[in-house]
Parts: sequence; C-alpha cells; structure tokens
Amino acid sequence: EIVMTQSPATLSVSPGERATLSCRASQSVGTNLAWYQQKPGQAPRLLIHRASMRATGVPGRFSGSGSGTEFALTISSLQSEDFALYYCHQYASWPPGAFGQGTRVEI
Amino acid sequence: EVQLVESGGGLVKPGRSLRLSCTGSGFVFGDYPMSWFRQAPGKGLEWVALIGRTAYGGAQEYAASVKGRFIISRDDSKSVAFLQMSSLKIEDSALYYCAKDADINGAYFFDYWGQGAQVTVSS
Repeated sequence: EIVMTQSPATLSVSPGERATLSCRASQSVGTNLAWYQQKPGQAPRLLIHRASMRATGVPGRFSGSGSGTEFALTISSLQSEDFALYYCHQYASWPPGAFGQGTRVEI
Repeated sequence: EVQLVESGGGLVKPGRSLRLSCTGSGFVFGDYPMSWFRQAPGKGLEWVALIGRTAYGGAQEYAASVKGRFIISRDDSKSVAFLQMSSLKIEDSALYYCAKDADINGAYFFDYWGQGAQVTVSS
C-alpha cells in the first residue's frame, strides 16, 4: 500500500507571496499524481493531474512538479481565494489510490 | 455545465441500509467511469467505490473497508449512479461525494464532484 505524506500540515502565507506544498509517496508513482483544492463546505476541485498538467480553468499561478516519490504544488502569488486545504492523490496503484492528509494554506 | 447532485443521505442505525444516488447532467453520463468518495468530519478524503463504463462491462471496484457491504451501480438511461450501503457501521458516517472520472478510459483522477450527501450512522 502506497502512503502519501504531505508537508507542512499548515502553511501560513501572506497574499501575494509564493507557497510551495510538498507531497511524498512511500514508493514511486511515476507521474500519476493529482492535486485537489477543497474550501470549507465545498467539494474538492481538481487542480493538477499527471503531476504537472493544469486542469481546465485552473489559473496559471498553480503549477505542479515532480515525479517518482517527490512532488510539489506551487502557487506563485497567493490570492485570497487560494486559502484552502490541498490534497495530493496518487492513482498509480489503483485501487485504491491514496490521498495525503492535506496541507492547509492559511493567511 | 457539468453537474453532479447526490441524494439519499440521512440518519440510520448501525446494521441498517441506505442508498445514495448521484444524478449527472451536462455530459454524456454513460461515457465515463464514476466513483464515490467519503470524508468523515475533520478528516481527509477516502475513495469508496468505482464503476466502469457500461459499454465495457461496468466493472465495479471497492475499498477494502466497504467490500462486501456496499454495492455501486449505474443507470445510464437516467444518468444516475447509486451506492447501496448495507450493514452500516458507525465508522461509515461521513459526507459522501460522487465524482466523474476525467477520462472515458478511466484515468483515476476526477474532474467534477458533487456537493455531497451526509450519512450519519448512530444508535
């Protein structure tokens, strides 16, 4: 079973600053990695798939990188609407895939 | 516009059953695998079940935690996916989301999600 570990648990950032979220897999998942954003009371929203491909409609300030076991989600200049919970998700090993425990981006 | 709407949630006693529905619109429902996920209060996301395209046999897959108790199905003529939950346990309490696979061939990442249906299992 592949375990996904996200760090940090909480990231405190000011609007306009750059934020980098990390995700580590316990074994290689290639580039079979997605990132989701979840705001309070809302469903998850797909941001990134295949480690670095932005989903339709996702602003260019979001970028994904990495392969194998180390991944990152970078938000180049944080906007107020970006303060949320972010999950990485590996789908190389399916079923069941695996989510990280999440990183909360807060002001 | 793609929309997914879950229904059927509620309060149920341990050991009882409940059926969730997920109605899709804005896309050709039968062309995509569909999944159910859940999220317990204050917890992360957990995949629950997936059903493939009917045209390819509609294969079902389940998380170990629900295998043998939950059944996923679909009615493409009505653009609905179902999650029949039996022998419910307290630990099944969660917000249940349905989600559409991003690719007709099953990419296992999910580009549209419903708003969720709350399931509470309590005596």
